[in-house]
Amino acid sequence: GESVGLHLPTLSVQEGDNSIINCAYSNSASDYFIWYKQESGKGPQFIIDIRSNMDKRQGQRVTVLLNKTVKHLSLQIAATQPGDSAVYFCADSLSGGYNKLIFGAGTRLAVHP
Amino acid sequence: DTAVSQTPKYLVTQMGNDKSIKCEQNLGHDTMYWYKQDSKKFLKIMFSYNNKELIINETVPNRFSPKSPDKAHLNLHINSLELGDSAVYFCASALGHLGNTIYFGEGSWLTVV
Repeated sequence: GESVGLHLPTLSVQEGDNSIINCAYSNSASDYFIWYKQESGKGPQFIIDIRSNMDKRQGQRVTVLLNKTVKHLSLQIAATQPGDSAVYFCADSLSGGYNKLIFGAGTRLAVHP
Repeated sequence: DTAVSQTPKYLVTQMGNDKSIKCEQNLGHDTMYWYKQDSKKFLKIMFSYNNKELIINETVPNRFSPKSPDKAHLNLHINSLELGDSAVYFCASALGHLGNTIYFGEGSWLTVV
């Protein structure tokens, strides 16, 4: 497997609590935003995305909020479960820019029973 | 029935060798990517092909050469491997190249010794 990302910020939550993972992006022209979940030894898995004409989008137990004014993105996970433990990445792109995703540094979510 | 599959999953090789990583997707996508994830889990795009045409070529040493024989395949060949090439390489695909969800493979762990 890969080495542990020791420099990753970690969010520790209790099982059943809600989790909020934050992300800042730098390109004010970005118009597509996406969250990925990466479990140990696996590839990034799509969670939810949002386009810049929206400020909120909900999925199953997850909500993404977009604040274009301050270039901030957040992922909310309701009723966090042990299976949610993973590294979460946000990414943004410019839809006219060949889908070139720029990834954030990642946040490790640790769910405790 | 893996959507984006890449081989090998693990590769250990000596400095100076030449190696290839293969990728295939069965999603009917026409755009494919190679991303590199370093030891700090930072994900960065390397290349992208749309319908076998190179559309993204980031600042990558020319020892790295992608090849797309058809739109379902994108292989990565690396010449004269160096210690710093050790990383996890992810293949990914999407439909079109204008802001659609990118789906990742499970990764190829390359270790250069």
